[in-house]
Amino acid sequence: ETGVTQTPRHLVMGMTNKKSLKCEQHLGHNAMYWYKQSAKKPLELMFVYNFKEQTENNSVPSRFSPECPNSSHLFLHLHTLQPEDSALYLCASSQRLGLAGGQEFFGPGTRLTVL
Amino acid sequence: EDQVTQSPEALRLQEGESSSLNCSYTVSGLRGLFWYRQDPGKGPEFLFTLYSAGEEKEKERLKATLTKKESFLHITAPKPEDSATYLCAVQAAGGGSNYKLTFGKGTLLTVNP
Repeated sequence: ETGVTQTPRHLVMGMTNKKSLKCEQHLGHNAMYWYKQSAKKPLELMFVYNFKEQTENNSVPSRFSPECPNSSHLFLHLHTLQPEDSALYLCASSQRLGLAGGQEFFGPGTRLTVL
Repeated sequence: EDQVTQSPEALRLQEGESSSLNCSYTVSGLRGLFWYRQDPGKGPEFLFTLYSAGEEKEKERLKATLTKKESFLHITAPKPEDSATYLCAVQAAGGGSNYKLTFGKGTLLTVNP
């Protein structure tokens, strides 16, 4: 595997379910990100991890819980979601935080539908 | 607060018909301006980083330029495979979160054969 991978690619869940999204990067990067992409809206940054430490929680509801066990893996645990949480969830990585011009590399995303 | 506005929202071109996409931004000190391409059902793919006014970068049929207030993505003689959503993002220099990217809503480009 190369680049940034995400599983599952598609997920349908009820509001009472608990599920997890997984992201893995094979680029040797130290910063990882979760974004939410909804139709007609800009990408919304949710969480940032740098060397496994969370550095940003962009006012995300507690029904979204991130986990970063190491610099290569990032999870997003989901529970009691709402229909408005349906969106494309993108994982990204970059070499490190604060690097001027340090571009982020994105995974293919998980298309989440909450019924 | 950093802001990024992209125009037009959607653009339909005939194959070979050159045009430009616009990205206007307001930031407290620019560290970098990024262009990404996103195909349906996929994550954004990095295209260019621009750092300072006057800078230009090219890749195949795409050329990105930067001024102090906006960036243009020029598409010369586009082909159908250039059809995608093009995203612009800025990285600001000031504040505690100077690593964050602020994205625009994107321009959906469709190139008809």
